[in-house]
Amino acid sequence: QQQVKQSPQSLIVQKGGISIINCAYENTAFDYFPWYQQFPGKGPALLIAIRPDVSEKKEGRFTISFNKSAKQFSLHIMDSQPGDSATYFCAADQGGSEKLVFGKGTKLTVNP
Amino acid sequence: DAGVTQSPTHLIKTRGQQVTLRCSPKSGHDTVSWYQQALGQGPQFIFQYYEEEERQRGNFPDRFSGHQFPNYSSELNVNALLLGDSALYLCASRRQASYEQYFGPGTRLTVT
Repeated sequence: QQQVKQSPQSLIVQKGGISIINCAYENTAFDYFPWYQQFPGKGPALLIAIRPDVSEKKEGRFTISFNKSAKQFSLHIMDSQPGDSATYFCAADQGGSEKLVFGKGTKLTVNP
Repeated sequence: DAGVTQSPTHLIKTRGQQVTLRCSPKSGHDTVSWYQQALGQGPQFIFQYYEEEERQRGNFPDRFSGHQFPNYSSELNVNALLLGDSALYLCASRRQASYEQYFGPGTRLTVT
């Protein structure tokens, strides 16, 4: 049973455009939703995270939007740059568990 | 401030052999988790160690075992290796009181 569904599987965006990656979860006990960025041959790097008590969190060009009633959250990358080309993973965690459940990833390509 | 470190970087083993992977957590972190990432997939939780004890375990067989040392470093042991164990093995650390998990660069294990 896949508890976190991520889409799209791959995404191609032009430089300066907006990249949007979506995730949906099933377990209403999840209370922490991080996004990780992974470059080939490297470990995932924590990018930004949100708790369900807020609907949006922004850090620089990266924004998480969270819809608790729909059990969905998304990552928006504004002014996308070629250096943003990587695989992005959404994840979810249940309080007291600290066991991250990951989506299958989105491979983002930003063309110059 | 050193991040999470893992050794070795790459490893090639034969079916049936045993392997030990090592992890040093980020400074100030006391909890270590291990994840398996198959090619093209998101990381999957193996188990978590805190206070030298296994606190949580994912859906992995007993062939996977671990240890945490008094200095918070950790080892992952896999016995009776199968071809399907070929993956990137990731270590993540955090402070017990925090949700934020930081990943190391991983150990690429190839089983032939």
